[in-house]
Amino acid sequence: AQTVTQSQPEMSVQEAETVTLSCTYDTSESDYYLFWYKQPPSRQMILVIRQEAYKQQNATENRFSVNFQKAAKSFSLKISDSQLGDAAMYFCAYRTAYGGATNKLIFGTGTLLAVQP
Amino acid sequence: GAVVSQHPSWVICKSGTSVKIECRSLDFQATTMFWYRQFPKQSLMLMATSNEGSKATYEQGVEKDKFLINHASLTLSTLTVTSAHPEDSSFYICSASSTRAQYFGPGTRLLVL
Repeated sequence: AQTVTQSQPEMSVQEAETVTLSCTYDTSESDYYLFWYKQPPSRQMILVIRQEAYKQQNATENRFSVNFQKAAKSFSLKISDSQLGDAAMYFCAYRTAYGGATNKLIFGTGTLLAVQP
Repeated sequence: GAVVSQHPSWVICKSGTSVKIECRSLDFQATTMFWYRQFPKQSLMLMATSNEGSKATYEQGVEKDKFLINHASLTLSTLTVTSAHPEDSSFYICSASSTRAQYFGPGTRLLVL
């Protein structure tokens, strides 16, 4: 069975600085998707970024980028120029590629990010 | 990203009553939706997978007779908490799944008195 591990329960960053959140996963599959979701205090889950395992190029979305290391099964999220609105719980998630939309997400335990002004 | 609505956002009910929560995918058709429960400061716990036109698939330990799921159309799934009790008080979140990702509703806070 697949597992997702986030080893940092809490992180803190100064406004305008850069922070990296760690995520590792375990799978025997070769084709899958990885996600970072953000859950602010409103508790709305927001998709931050998506990575397809067959793509070697790291995904980027504005200030958010990932470092995807398939061999090491590592998928870290880098937030550049941190803003107060980035303060949230961040969840790393895995989904198998086989079966399409019917597949469930496997979540990590989350990292609570605080942004200091 | 895609928009998923959830209604109601807040519900307070008396013990023994049933509560229905609606989840709607507003801008794409979702053959699969998921229902989660989340306790404070914890990750999401998958309760069940809702498939349009067929029975839901429940995770181990989730009572299917207590948490009734109906996925009547490609844009609507409902979760009914039957005979709710205080221990059912929680935050319930739905998601609509596409081949690209899962998109989440804003959640429903349920308080059973």
